[in-house]
Amino acid sequence: DVKVTQSSRYLVKRTGEKVFLECVQDMDHENMFWYRQDPGLGLRLIYFSYDVKMKEKGDIPEGYSVSREKKERFSLILESASTNQTSMYLCASSFWGAGNQPQHFGDGTRLSIL
Amino acid sequence: TQLLEQSPQFLSIQEGENLTVYCNSSSVFSSLQWYRQEPGEGPVLLVTVVTGGEVKKLKRLTFQFGDARKDSSLHITAAQPGDTGLYLCASYTARETSGSRLTFGEGTQLTVNP
Repeated sequence: DVKVTQSSRYLVKRTGEKVFLECVQDMDHENMFWYRQDPGLGLRLIYFSYDVKMKEKGDIPEGYSVSREKKERFSLILESASTNQTSMYLCASSFWGAGNQPQHFGDGTRLSIL
Repeated sequence: TQLLEQSPQFLSIQEGENLTVYCNSSSVFSSLQWYRQEPGEGPVLLVTVVTGGEVKKLKRLTFQFGDARKDSSLHITAAQPGDTGLYLCASYTARETSGSRLTFGEGTQLTVNP
């Protein structure tokens, strides 16, 4: 079975801190994704990567950056955390393809910014 | 980016009842995926539908893809408390040069009471 592992289930940080969320997948997937999930807003794509060192902005990239130095690892960085970034963050991975590929999700990191 | 509308947003029913949730778009889907997310976990793929008019069954769950490929429905027969969760529809935007990304609807939160 595909395993997508997020480094923390719960995280509490302070305003202005630099925050790192880590995600590792074990299925050699080319694509990796970071979403945030908020009530009433569904899953919104922050950034995605289709290859090592490659990244593309999603729908809400402001205030975030990403790093993909190795194929299996995709990191989300909050450069200077703010309270409006309190949310559930979900990482996902999939094979490259024209579509129809399932995305496999981690169990999420619930991040609180105080 | 294709917009997906799901309805209803919330649904609370008694065990044994039947229900249908809907996913609609003003654009044609190339394909459509349904995911279920249980509390404390990431979404898990239930099914992918590709062909207009397609019907797929997964035990008590029946998925239908509209003839014009602009809408889809999920019908659950004799709902059980284990069906409780957030049901998400998602469609792919195929990109030739940089991998494919999913757009998610806002989801239907289903609660099945014993």
